[in-house]
Amino acid sequence: DAGITQSPRHKVTETGTPVTLRCHQTENHRYMYWYRQDPGHGLRLIHYSYGVKDTDKGEVSDGYSVSRSKTEDFLLTLESATSSQTSVYFCAIRGQGSGNTIYFGEGSWLTVV
Amino acid sequence: QKEVEQDPGPLSVPEGAIVSLNCTYSNSAFQYFMWYRQYSRKGPELLMYTYSSGNKEDGRFTAQVDKSSKYISLFIRDSQPSDSATYLCAMSRNSGNTPLVFGKGTRLSVIA
Repeated sequence: DAGITQSPRHKVTETGTPVTLRCHQTENHRYMYWYRQDPGHGLRLIHYSYGVKDTDKGEVSDGYSVSRSKTEDFLLTLESATSSQTSVYFCAIRGQGSGNTIYFGEGSWLTVV
Repeated sequence: QKEVEQDPGPLSVPEGAIVSLNCTYSNSAFQYFMWYRQYSRKGPELLMYTYSSGNKEDGRFTAQVDKSSKYISLFIRDSQPSDSATYLCAMSRNSGNTPLVFGKGTRLSVIA
């Protein structure tokens, strides 16, 4: 158990509304990541953070923003949700030591209608 | 060419079979190699981690890395129905601020 909690776990929202997903960790890890996973595309990195207020874009960052105001929380915001953002979103943290191994949360299933 | 290629399957084997899962990659700078297992509607969980070339064994699982061929493998011996899952390979260049690159995953079914 990597001590990661994602919320909400399931959400249905309407096109055009803002949505925020929260990732909370309890073990003071520096690196945190947001991925989305879709059939045929696998896991794709959206944004990541390497410290409080330090974030960077991944390969599919358009339409998403992130914030990290404290070590334990990494927020992913869909500014104006679209149907193409219907997906399962995974938060991950980088473990201490052992290269770049990362540990995932249980996922947040988002449906945009 | 994608950085990491992985056959999506599905792969179906009888219980007790030896399973071989593979990934190829194009970036010769990759040094850290991982295998994740993902059950349906769950997050991926780290299964094996290997640095550079060679083999690593953990119970019924063996990870192999052949950097000269840019090819990594995961072998599962005496496969069980509980091994039915999607297996994802992942790799990275170094231990710094470099996100992992994932394969798309291979779906495995072990039939009792």
